[in-house]
Amino acid sequence: NAGVTQTPKFQVLKTGQSMTLQCAQDMNHEYMSWYRQDPGMGLRLIHYSVGAGITDQGEVPNGYNVSRSTTEDFPLRLLSAAPSQTSVYFCASTKDRGMNTEAFFGQGTRLTVV
Amino acid sequence: DQQVKQNSPSLSVQEGRISILNCDYTNSMFDYFLWYKKYPAEGPTFLISISSIKDKNEDGRFTVFLNKSAKHLSLHIVPSQPGDSAVYFCAESTGNTGKLIFGQGTTLQVKP
Repeated sequence: NAGVTQTPKFQVLKTGQSMTLQCAQDMNHEYMSWYRQDPGMGLRLIHYSVGAGITDQGEVPNGYNVSRSTTEDFPLRLLSAAPSQTSVYFCASTKDRGMNTEAFFGQGTRLTVV
Repeated sequence: DQQVKQNSPSLSVQEGRISILNCDYTNSMFDYFLWYKKYPAEGPTFLISISSIKDKNEDGRFTVFLNKSAKHLSLHIVPSQPGDSAVYFCAESTGNTGKLIFGQGTTLQVKP
C-alpha cells in the first residue's frame, strides 16, 4: 500500500542548479498537486493537475514547472534553484471531483538551496 | 492575502481536557472545509471535513463546528490525548479541482 511516494526525501542544491522532485501515486487518482510548507505560512499550492496532460498554476508557481504525462506521475522541476525555494515540498493526490474528497500526501521532500 | 487564517500558532492543553482549534476564512464561496493533522517528518493526513450546508460534523473524539455568519470554524478534540500532539491545518476545498487552500497551522501539545 504505497499511496503517494516522493523522492528524494532530502536534497541540497547550489543556487542555479536544476533538479526534479519526483511524485508517484498508485491509487489511480485523477487529481495531483504540489505544495510547499514554510514556517508560519502553512501549505501553499504550487501547481496542480486534474488529469493526464492537464496542469495549472496554484498560489506560488514562479520558479517551478510541472508536467503530467501519465496518471501516476507528477514531477516538479526547479529550473534554476534559488535560496527562496528552500522549503519542504509535499505532493498530494485526490480521488475524484468531490470537493470533500480527502487528499493523500506523500512524506515530503526537504530541499535546501545554498 | 491569506484566505484561510489560523491565528493561534500554538496551543497547549492537559491530557483529558478539551482542545479547541480555530480557523477563519474570507471567501464565502467555499463549499467544504477540512482539517488535516501533521506529525513531524510526515505528510499531512486527513482528519475530518464539513460541508457548508451543515454546522456540525462529528467523528469520534473530533467535532468540527462551522459558523457561516462569522466565517469561522473550529475543531474540538475531546478528550485530548498525548498522541494528538501535532500540527493541525484547516483547509478549504475550491472547485472540482482537488486543490486545497490551507491555513498557517496550529501546533497542539497535549501534556500527560
